[in-house]
Amino acid sequence: QKEVEQNSGPLSVPEGAIASLNCTYSDRGSQSFFWYRQYSGKSPELIMFIYSNGDKEDGRFTAQLNKASQYVSLLIRDSQPSDSATYLCAFLTGNQFYFGTGTSLTVIP
Amino acid sequence: DVKVTQSSRYLVKRTGEKVFLECVQDMDHENMFWYRQDPGLGLRLIYFSYDVKMKEKGDIPEGYSVSREKKERFSLILESASTNQTSMYLCASSSPGQDTGELFFGEGSRLTVL
Repeated sequence: QKEVEQNSGPLSVPEGAIASLNCTYSDRGSQSFFWYRQYSGKSPELIMFIYSNGDKEDGRFTAQLNKASQYVSLLIRDSQPSDSATYLCAFLTGNQFYFGTGTSLTVIP
Repeated sequence: DVKVTQSSRYLVKRTGEKVFLECVQDMDHENMFWYRQDPGLGLRLIYFSYDVKMKEKGDIPEGYSVSREKKERFSLILESASTNQTSMYLCASSSPGQDTGELFFGEGSRLTVL
């Protein structure tokens, strides 16, 4: 059984702070890793993907992957109220995606 | 702009009714998926399809069936709806040959079974 575990939250951070979201996965054969953002009542949208060990930065978002530890994280710098959402971690093995249950983030103005 | 379109955003059905949820993608993706999403349980895979006329069971196929007669269309069928099938249903598609291999989601269909 392939599993993805996320810090369940909810997580609250003040505006301007760094939000840190974490995820571990069970399948060492996983190829790619994704972070999706889901606003309440909306469908998930991709914000980051990473497939190599190390850091990947895109604007205020940084994804970090450590395959040896089977760990992936998402850092959101200078958090904004518009970042308030549920963040889903997912990994891809073959053609199948496996999702965590999500971490709810609230950014307090 | 890439798109996955689900036919109905909100549906209310009665126990025992047959329910069709339609999904169409315009990206020529090979892979299509149906998930349901419930609070605290995350996204659970119902069925997926890698090609026309083929289907594979996901983690929770009981009470559901699917149809993929054309590459762009993947339908989810509830033969006899039950109250425990009240949920948000998400269709998604992906292509292995694509840069990121990401999943693209439709807007979701919120089904209530009374």
